[in-house]
Amino acid sequence: AQSVTQLGSHVSVSEGALVLLRCNYSSSVPPYLFWYVQYPNQGLQLLLKYTSAATLVKGINGFEAEFKKSETSFHLTKPSAHMSDAAEYFCAVSPSGGYQKVTFGIGTKLQVIP
Amino acid sequence: EAGVAQSPRYKIIEKRQSVAFWCNPISGHATLYWYQQILGQGPKLLIQFQNNGVVDDSQLPKDRFSAERLKGVDSTLKIQPAKLEDSAVYLCASSLGSFPMGNSPLHFGNGTRLTVT
Repeated sequence: AQSVTQLGSHVSVSEGALVLLRCNYSSSVPPYLFWYVQYPNQGLQLLLKYTSAATLVKGINGFEAEFKKSETSFHLTKPSAHMSDAAEYFCAVSPSGGYQKVTFGIGTKLQVIP
Repeated sequence: EAGVAQSPRYKIIEKRQSVAFWCNPISGHATLYWYQQILGQGPKLLIQFQNNGVVDDSQLPKDRFSAERLKGVDSTLKIQPAKLEDSAVYLCASSLGSFPMGNSPLHFGNGTRLTVT
């Protein structure tokens, strides 16, 4: 079964600092990968997705992620954190063939310090 | 486009009572998902529908949970009887496509927060 591991359930950064949220996947073939964001009392929203077209994927709100097959990683980055980025971020995986079945990681809560 | 609608937003019940949640997906979305999100954890898939057929319900506790998707549109998720450990946020999501392209993004509703006392 496919899965993702998010390292660090809580990450704190200063406003203006680099944001790096880590995600490693487990799959025998390169899967589809996603990052979602969840603000308090809301559902999840898609930030970006990897579908094998390009290894560096740009998403909304200045976020991007790079697919690295050799490291089985799909880390999320943003050069400069804003207060509005404080939220919980989920990495997710779906098989690249057959029915779509999206499995989520446990999430990383991002705190931005003024 | 209108988003995924869920109701109610909040529900408090006592253990052994029953409860039902409703979801209306985005128009035209063939796939509908119910996820359970326990505090501090990622969403866990309970059941997935493709139109009005079940694709995956392997993690649905079938002795107490049931779900249906009427005419391939709206869906209801029911718990009967509820247990304390069912306290969670129940998220409904929908997506355009499923088979064979598995990269359609999921669109989520705001969820129903269930508290079982």
